[in-house]
Amino acid sequence: GQNIDQPTEMTATEGAIVQINCTYQTSGFNGLFWYQQHAGEAPTFLSYNVLDGLEEKGRFSSFLSRSKGYSYLLLKELQMKDSASYLCAVMDSNYQLIWGAGTKLIIKP
Amino acid sequence: DAMVIQNPRYQVTQFGKPVTLSCSQTLNHNVMYWYQQKSSQAPKLLFHYYDKDFNNEADTPDNFQSRRPNTSFCFLDIRSPGLGDAAMYLCATSRETTGGDEQFFGPGTRLTVL
Repeated sequence: GQNIDQPTEMTATEGAIVQINCTYQTSGFNGLFWYQQHAGEAPTFLSYNVLDGLEEKGRFSSFLSRSKGYSYLLLKELQMKDSASYLCAVMDSNYQLIWGAGTKLIIKP
Repeated sequence: DAMVIQNPRYQVTQFGKPVTLSCSQTLNHNVMYWYQQKSSQAPKLLFHYYDKDFNNEADTPDNFQSRRPNTSFCFLDIRSPGLGDAAMYLCATSRETTGGDEQFFGPGTRLTVL
């Protein structure tokens, strides 16, 4: 079966750095997405990785290792507004998007 | 601004009473998706349209139907809602189904079944 694993919940302090990990087992691979979802709202796109390595976009970076079936989302200089769920999703060989259940990030002052 | 709009934002229905949720987009995207998301769970794809081609997920219950009368609009019909159908329903669009095309989501409709 296809599987995406992420920690259920993480806590971090305002101004700090946090890394949210995602491991996946899918039938083929056509890219990995990270989405942010605030409580009661729709997911919004953060990043897309299809090649190995680090993609940096402002305070957010995303890393991919296809050989390890592993990605992480790195959030720097955390702000209270970063409190949200972060969803990892992998596009498989049939271009189906397989979603993780998300990691709830709690930011404390 | 180009966007995905869902109406209503909140819908309350009674057990077994049909309900229709609507989605419209101004992005002119080829693909439209309907997801069901329950609290702290991954979004679950119900079906998607590529233009007018309908694609049903194998495990989507027959109770759920969809219509896409034109490029801009898509509807989700729940014929006989049960208590287990209470969830957030998300509509999303993308230009294509392949590659790195991100999905753009509407704000969702939260369905309550009494």
